[in-house]
Amino acid sequence: DAGVIQSPRHEVTEMGQEVTLRCKPISGHNSLFWYRQTMMRGLELLIYFNNNVPIDDSGMPEDRFSAKMPNASFSTLKIQPSEPRDSAVYFCASRAPGGGVQQETQYFGPGTRLLVL
Amino acid sequence: AQSVTQLDSQVPVFEEAPVELRCNYSSSVSVYLFWYVQYPNQGLQLLLKYLSGSTLVKGINGFEAEFNKSQTSFHLRKPSVHISDTAEYFCAVRRGTGFQKLVFGTGTRLLVSP
Repeated sequence: DAGVIQSPRHEVTEMGQEVTLRCKPISGHNSLFWYRQTMMRGLELLIYFNNNVPIDDSGMPEDRFSAKMPNASFSTLKIQPSEPRDSAVYFCASRAPGGGVQQETQYFGPGTRLLVL
Repeated sequence: AQSVTQLDSQVPVFEEAPVELRCNYSSSVSVYLFWYVQYPNQGLQLLLKYLSGSTLVKGINGFEAEFNKSQTSFHLRKPSVHISDTAEYFCAVRRGTGFQKLVFGTGTRLLVSP
């Protein structure tokens, strides 16, 4: 299995530009999580999906952030417009079906390192 | 709401020495506890988890952790560390059933030197 795939691995953009991060979860997994990691705030959960439906988006910072999961094998996190304070590493993680604690192992992708100038 | 505290932001240690990374949690209900490791420029991966049963949990790479309900702690230990253990370690907690999310601590950077 290829694991969780994220693209791009690195993104440098200018303030005000739209940024789209992509994630392909592990085949067969039905939960998907987007996290943001910064030195100041650590690892924060932004949103998570179950069966393509957003379950908890309380961590999404503001309206500039949006996430979609059109099908079981693809998700996007979009920032529009981007700001320098959005600079961070964004991780996608997926989890196998069940929702119970026995299935509670999240598999993380390698992350996208975003720098907004 | 549950929360996780990792008091040590960085732990330096010499190779082959023992190490303990501390984690305390707060929750008014039963919780499940996890340790994840993040190697440089990589995503997180699961080291071990406590669900129920024996309070001593063994994980990958020789790590183990002990769940202590009275002290609300879940400290991670390794009797002899290797240079390759240099990484960031995250403690996480999850409440009961349903679609409960993981809440991560701020992480502890383990620095192993020769």
